[in-house]
Amino acid sequence: AQSVTQPDIHITVSEGASLELRCNYSYGATPYLFWYVQSPGQGLQLLLKYFSGDTLVQGIKGFEAEFKRSQSSFNLRKPSVHWSDAAEYFCAVAINTDKLIFGTGTRLQVFP
Amino acid sequence: NAGVTQTPKFRVLKTGQSMTLLCAQDMNHEYMYWYRQDPGMGLRLIHYSVGEGTTAKGEVPDGYNVSRLKKQNFLLGLESAAPSQTSVYFCASSLVSNQPQHFGDGTRLSIL
Repeated sequence: AQSVTQPDIHITVSEGASLELRCNYSYGATPYLFWYVQSPGQGLQLLLKYFSGDTLVQGIKGFEAEFKRSQSSFNLRKPSVHWSDAAEYFCAVAINTDKLIFGTGTRLQVFP
Repeated sequence: NAGVTQTPKFRVLKTGQSMTLLCAQDMNHEYMYWYRQDPGMGLRLIHYSVGEGTTAKGEVPDGYNVSRLKKQNFLLGLESAAPSQTSVYFCASSLVSNQPQHFGDGTRLSIL
């Protein structure tokens, strides 16, 4: 079955530290890939997307993600985390369907 | 920029009551979606629509009905609410399939 895995349920980092959130998918073909962020009490906001081309994509708020076909991964990174980045992050994929498949999310906590 | 608007934002129901959640989008999007979000389970698709007058089942459609009589509106109905339907409900829309979805701020629904 098609699936999206975010192995880390909860991550804690210090402000200013680097961040990498993992996302793996199980599909035969290259999917469309997305990262969303959800602040408490809010809906999901798109951070970045990958459709084709350059495998390193830049998003809003200083985030980037790299698509690695050989590893079926689309990990999200940020060089220096800010306290305002504390939120829940969701990876999602779409492959020739009308729907997105979401991972279960990673909650990021940032310590000062 | 209204984007995707959900009403109401909060609601408490008794078991067996019915209600309708309204989603409205002003972006002329063809596709609209209803999700539920439960702790540790990410977002699960309830129903979706690929255009005015169309609806389709998602991952967890039981106990819910939907209608898309107008392109800008997508209604989610609970005919006989059950405690298992206590959740946060999100509506989303996208221009076409495989494109980023835009989310509302959610409806927090409690069934007693």
